[in-house]
Amino acid sequence: AQSVTQLGSHVSVSEGALVLLRCNYSSSVPPYLFWYVQYPNQGLQLLLKYTTGATLVKGINGFEAEFKKSETSFHLTKPSAHMSDAAEYFCAVTSDNTDKLIFGTGTRLQVFP
Amino acid sequence: SQTIHQWPATLVQPVGSPLSLECTVEGTSNPNLYWYRQAAGRGLQLLFYSVGIGQISSEVPQNLSASRPQDRQFILSSKKLLLSDSGFYLCACQEGTDDSPLHFGNGTRLTVT
Repeated sequence: AQSVTQLGSHVSVSEGALVLLRCNYSSSVPPYLFWYVQYPNQGLQLLLKYTTGATLVKGINGFEAEFKKSETSFHLTKPSAHMSDAAEYFCAVTSDNTDKLIFGTGTRLQVFP
Repeated sequence: SQTIHQWPATLVQPVGSPLSLECTVEGTSNPNLYWYRQAAGRGLQLLFYSVGIGQISSEVPQNLSASRPQDRQFILSSKKLLLSDSGFYLCACQEGTDDSPLHFGNGTRLTVT
């Protein structure tokens, strides 16, 4: 069975600081990995995804994530946080042999001026 | 592109009352459809998913049910609501392949009193 662990339910950074949101996955087959962002009282929006190929994936709003198979990780980063980045972020995993997308429990990002 | 319609946006229901949440999709055919529930501080829980009309898979035992009477319609129901059914319900749609991202509706916030 596949699973996702997001370390840290809350992360706080200052505006302009590096953002690092951690995600580790478990999968017995090659995974497809996603990061979603959720603003208050809204649905989720796709930030970026990894399926195959280049392990460093660039997404919207300046975010990127790197797939590291040896570490079973897919951490989300952004070099410089902006106030508008404050939201909840979800990592998710699926694969070729399942119809389900499994989400982590989410990380709430706060950005201070 | 896909558009997911969910209604109502908010709902307050007494314990023991029935529930019907509807989700319809535009801009795609034969999508995979999902119902997720998001409870405060608990991330996203997959409730049901469907790969076609009349095909429903349930992820967790509960007093909720789902139906897919048409290709682009997914309904979440309950005969008798419990307090624990309160939460934010999200419908999601996925085209075709397993590496395709999910597109989410704006959600329904259900409060059971």
